[in-house]
Amino acid sequence: GAGVSQSPSNKVTEKGKDVELRCDPISGHTALYWYRQSLGQGLEFLIYFQGNSAPDKSGLPSDRFSAERTGGSVSTLTIQRTQQEDSAVYLCASRPRDLRGYNEQFFGPGTRLTVL
Amino acid sequence: SQKIEQNSEALNIQEGKTATLTCNYTNYSPAYLQWYRQDPGRGPVFLLLIRENEKEKRKERLKVTFDTTLKQSLFHITASQPADSATYLCALDSTSGTYKYIFGTGTRLKVLA
Repeated sequence: GAGVSQSPSNKVTEKGKDVELRCDPISGHTALYWYRQSLGQGLEFLIYFQGNSAPDKSGLPSDRFSAERTGGSVSTLTIQRTQQEDSAVYLCASRPRDLRGYNEQFFGPGTRLTVL
Repeated sequence: SQKIEQNSEALNIQEGKTATLTCNYTNYSPAYLQWYRQDPGRGPVFLLLIRENEKEKRKERLKVTFDTTLKQSLFHITASQPADSATYLCALDSTSGTYKYIFGTGTRLKVLA
């Protein structure tokens, strides 16, 4: 079946603008993650969803970042008043229901965000 | 604080040799550890998972070891091929048995023909 998809694949925006990044997880996967990857850096955890609930938002860098998930499926990461330091690749991952976390994560291709 | 270290320098090896990548961690005791492969412009792809009570796990040309005393995992690719060239990431659960993962920065492997 289809894997995790993300859109847009690339986004160039001006400083101060708002952006929305979309993630379509694999059908039936209840857990969804957002990560940020800067050049030469590892994956930085942003937020985790179990169903539509986000029990852990601890990785969101500031209150300019927010995320939601509807219908236990699609998720949107919104960055308000973007700053140049927000430039990075934003990766989404999903996995089947297993609260122990032993299951692998399936990653999307990412959205490359460039803030000018 | 919890920390994962992977060799940030690129690893270059000759085709056919065994590549060995290292993942060291400090300040916590993960229940399991995962290895992922990431190609340029793509998301990571899961390769192997090893649990804390397992010493070694194999899959085709891949082998992972997990030493909870040394707080280290080694990732081996035997009979390496140019197609194995990629960045390899290790990931651990942030506290034992929970959903949250901490990723290393990855090691870039280049297999020379």
